[in-house]
Amino acid sequence: DTAVSQTPKYLVTQMGNDKSIKCEQNLGHDTMYWYKQDSKKFLKIMFSYNNKELIINETVPNRFSPKSPDKAHLNLHINSLELGDSAVYFCASSQEGGRGSPLHFGNGTRLTVT
Amino acid sequence: SQQGEEDPQALSIQEGENATMNCSYKTSINNLQWYRQNSGRGLVHLILIRSNEREKHSGRLRVTLDTSKKSSSLLITASRAADTASYFCATDAIGGFKTIFGAGTRLFVKA
Repeated sequence: DTAVSQTPKYLVTQMGNDKSIKCEQNLGHDTMYWYKQDSKKFLKIMFSYNNKELIINETVPNRFSPKSPDKAHLNLHINSLELGDSAVYFCASSQEGGRGSPLHFGNGTRLTVT
Repeated sequence: SQQGEEDPQALSIQEGENATMNCSYKTSINNLQWYRQNSGRGLVHLILIRSNEREKHSGRLRVTLDTSKKSSSLLITASRAADTASYFCATDAIGGFKTIFGAGTRLFVKA
């Protein structure tokens, strides 16, 4: 049973399009995250949510809009895609806002913008 | 900027050898964690060491923490080809909800 699952695994699209990535966790965690990993493997936090409430927005362009319909789901919608948005996007979850509690990651969504 | 910086960026060793990776960080921490990432997969938590601990073991992993130098090391003993992966250190922001990752060390273990 997958603990953190995200779909799709691959996403290829053209500049200017709008796309969404879905994430679900079955661990009963309160906190969910979106991270972006670039081609050099740098992993940067984008958003964190706790019990459906936005806690951290790490100066992400407002073309990126996360939505958490319940604490088990955190989706990411991206408007007007740009070449620089190409990356691997990871969803993760944890208990207690990650304070001393490990993050559990999905297997990523590789987004390619052409 | 990245909270953690790792050294070396890449490491290639023979199976059976030990691998040591280092991590430095900039601000005060409550704990430090190490994660592994296999190619094409998400990160997997390996071990957590709290700020009041100096050393921790888990199987073939040994982690040390020196808060005076703001550094940590991960030692993998008797490495195996299956240990080939990227390894990241991570620290939690004091207020939580934000785990910051280092740049990672890419480890290649040759069979």
